[in-house]
Amino acid sequence: DGGITQSPKYLFRKEGQNVTLSCEQNLNHDAMYWYRQDPGQGLRLIYYSQIVNDFQKGDIAEGYSVSREKKESFPLTVTSAQKNPTAFYLCASSSRSNTGELFFGEGSRLTVL
Amino acid sequence: AQSVTQPDIHITVSEGASLELRCNYSYGATPYLFWYVQSPGQGLQLLLKYFSGDTLVQGIKGFEAEFKRSQSSFNLRKPSVHWSDAAEYFCAVGAWGNEKLTFGTGTRLTIIP
Repeated sequence: DGGITQSPKYLFRKEGQNVTLSCEQNLNHDAMYWYRQDPGQGLRLIYYSQIVNDFQKGDIAEGYSVSREKKESFPLTVTSAQKNPTAFYLCASSSRSNTGELFFGEGSRLTVL
Repeated sequence: AQSVTQPDIHITVSEGASLELRCNYSYGATPYLFWYVQSPGQGLQLLLKYFSGDTLVQGIKGFEAEFKRSQSSFNLRKPSVHWSDAAEYFCAVGAWGNEKLTFGTGTRLTIIP
């Protein structure tokens, strides 16, 4: 079945460490997105990519980095510069032919100890 | 800039009762509107979407929503809720050529027996 796979589902890290969250899709979608979810704040866009080797900052990109070397993959690195990284992270993708509709992974919960 | 307001943070309804979740949007052009549902610790699933045409749209799980341009609203309704409808619901707005969706802060729905 086609879908989006995020890993790991749960991740713990110490302050000062970088961590990379994986996102893979087999939907043949062009665009991929990373959202951060905090209680009471909805979803906030971190980065998005519309084509391979290109990506744009979203609303809260500071302290995060991404790459898009393959169409299927869009990993997110949470760097030590992110001041409050504990959150639920959601990856999504969309097709140009289905404008705006996002397909989501099951999320990764990052906890900084 | 586009924005979405979900004025109700938490709603509690009895099983079998009707439901209406409110969503108001702000967008200069013709909006694309979405409702997503999220179970705890999971990703988001699309319930329904409005692009154009009939202002009353039907979705999955017996949900429907009505687009009212004059009120800038896109409220979600269900005539009779089931215990399995307990979840968090997000309204989102986008537009043609705009790859980014803007999400509301969500409404948490609790169902009581």
